[in-house]
Amino acid sequence: ETGVTQSPTHLIKTRGQQVTLRCSSQSGHNTVSWYQQALGQGPQFIFQYYREEENGRGNFPPRFSGLQFPNYSSELNVNALELDDSALYLCASSLQGGSNYGYTFGSGTRLTVV
Amino acid sequence: AQSVTQPDIHITVSEGASLELRCNYSYGATPYLFWYVQSPGQGLQLLLKYFSGDTLVQGIKGFEAEFKRSQSSFNLRKPSVHWSDAAEYFCAVGGNNQGGKLIFGQGTELSVKP
Repeated sequence: ETGVTQSPTHLIKTRGQQVTLRCSSQSGHNTVSWYQQALGQGPQFIFQYYREEENGRGNFPPRFSGLQFPNYSSELNVNALELDDSALYLCASSLQGGSNYGYTFGSGTRLTVV
Repeated sequence: AQSVTQPDIHITVSEGASLELRCNYSYGATPYLFWYVQSPGQGLQLLLKYFSGDTLVQGIKGFEAEFKRSQSSFNLRKPSVHWSDAAEYFCAVGGNNQGGKLIFGQGTELSVKP
């Protein structure tokens, strides 16, 4: 059973640029959630995708968008990068959309915006 | 408002000593509660979870947690800490119809003295 894999592991971007982060869910999982973890903080929920549809969204602006593909992998896209977008971005997969199924987290992508 | 509070930002214990990490939550519906551990630069690993039933739950690595509804608490305990337990610990709460959203506390950093 493979776990959740994220790519790239590290990324440096310039303010105003766009970035795409990728996540492959754990085998058998059909739901992917994305979280942003700023330095010294707990993760904050960005959104969740279930069967290729957005299933829930946190308090993030529209320049944070996502996709889920038929194989349940997912992308997080961030447009017009700001310095405050520098963070660890975590992807988590689960069997269904609700919290009661539990989540498996990847190791994250460290994004630095300069 | 939904929130998780971890009152202790940093705790230091001696190897072999007992450990208790505190977690209090505010949640309007039936809570699903989680403890995750994060090593530096890594993703989150699930230690244990509580959905219903027995309020004392056992997890991996010798950890346990007790759900106390009257106190809105879900404290994590370990009878004897090992040096390898040094990490950041996060408490989180979610619900069945929340679009997969987990609300995390700010985390407690655990240091272990030899």
